[in-house]
Amino acid sequence: QVQLVESGGGLVKPGGSLRLSCAASGFTFSDYWMTWIRQAPGKGLEWVSYISSRDSTIYYADSMKGRFTISRDNAKNSLSLQMNNLRAEDTGVYYCARGNWNHAFDIWGQGTMVTVSS
Amino acid sequence: EIVLTQSPATLSLSPGERATLSCRASQSISNNLAWYQQKPGQAPRLLIYADSNRATGIPARFSGSGSGTDFTLTISSLEPEDFAVYYCQHRSSWPRTWTFGQGTKVEIK
Repeated sequence: QVQLVESGGGLVKPGGSLRLSCAASGFTFSDYWMTWIRQAPGKGLEWVSYISSRDSTIYYADSMKGRFTISRDNAKNSLSLQMNNLRAEDTGVYYCARGNWNHAFDIWGQGTMVTVSS
Repeated sequence: EIVLTQSPATLSLSPGERATLSCRASQSISNNLAWYQQKPGQAPRLLIYADSNRATGIPARFSGSGSGTDFTLTISSLEPEDFAVYYCQHRSSWPRTWTFGQGTKVEIK
């Protein structure tokens, strides 16, 4: 079945780094744009980053620019998010999601928790 | 930057009642609004895309409507499993960003 599975979350100190991964299965990964979305504890959804299907176009939310790097490996059906210089406000559940042709997110992973705390 | 404002913040209804959720954009948008449902401890699920199209497997009691700046998600008759938080979402062309509303919680009265 169509599935996204995130991994790599954990506890990290402010200023530290973490790399999240998302493994895709059940669909042709290279046909779809992908994104990361996060949710702070008890809060709403916040878009983080976008990558096009062939890796040629990338966008970030303003607060992540210069600190986060999105990438994908179509041969391995894998999406990644490298997060550097982490802040307490980066704490939350990070979801990878598949984009559809109507600019919506039609498949979501279960999420991975990132906690930034000293 | 487009801002999406959802109302009400909380909607208290009984099973079988009709739910009407609003999403208002700070400027006109079209064909680019989606709705999601999120239950506690779960990932969001796509309900509606392109303003009014139901996603795969979504029951017919869910419908989306609207245009310009005012959009509505209607649940015609609430089932017990529909009590959840609902988010609207829009993709802006420039700058290329995806924005969510702050959410509406539909709770059991």
